[in-house]
Amino acid sequence: DQQVKQNSPSLSVQEGRISILNCDYTNSMFDYFLWYKKYPAEGPTFLISISSIKDKNEDGRFTVFLNKSAKHLSLHIVPSQPGDSAVYFCAASDSNDMRFGAGTRLTVKP
Amino acid sequence: DADVTQTPRNRITKTGKRIMLECSQTKGHDRMYWYRQDPGLGLRLIYYSFDVKDINKGEISDGYSVSRQAQAKFSLSLESAIPNQTALYFCATSDLDGFYGYTFGSGTRLTVV
Repeated sequence: DQQVKQNSPSLSVQEGRISILNCDYTNSMFDYFLWYKKYPAEGPTFLISISSIKDKNEDGRFTVFLNKSAKHLSLHIVPSQPGDSAVYFCAASDSNDMRFGAGTRLTVKP
Repeated sequence: DADVTQTPRNRITKTGKRIMLECSQTKGHDRMYWYRQDPGLGLRLIYYSFDVKDINKGEISDGYSVSRQAQAKFSLSLESAIPNQTALYFCATSDLDGFYGYTFGSGTRLTVV
């Protein structure tokens, strides 16, 4: 039973535009949520996280939004750059273990 | 040196063979994890350990076992490998609760033929 879902397997955007990656979850006990980025032949690398008591966290070009009532979070990348092309995983944790979505492959075209 | 080192990077093994994947970390963290990645399913937790004497099953522990030999070392064993265990395996480590993310190794690509 997938508790964290990313329904879009892929997303393509133009360089300089906004990339919006979406994620839904089912378990209301998750304490915090994270986004990871993964390049081929490498492990996932942590990008940004948000506590369940907040609705927004920003770090440079990356902003994560959390809507608890809808059990939905999103990652905004502005402006998108070709180097952002990677697979992005959404994750959620209850402090014991972390559950991951299936990933969204982002392609940023020059 | 990498913070989390996994060996081997690639392995092909035959059905029924026992195989061990090894992981070591230099972060000094107590918590370590094993995940597998399959296309369309993301990363799924196999086992996790909060310290040397603590081992916990994850979502998909059947067919796997682990050993926490030291704070820095956490190995995953497939007792009798089967083809549907063909996957990319990742080891990770974290501090207390992982709010600042897990640190992952580069992965082991395992193929069972």
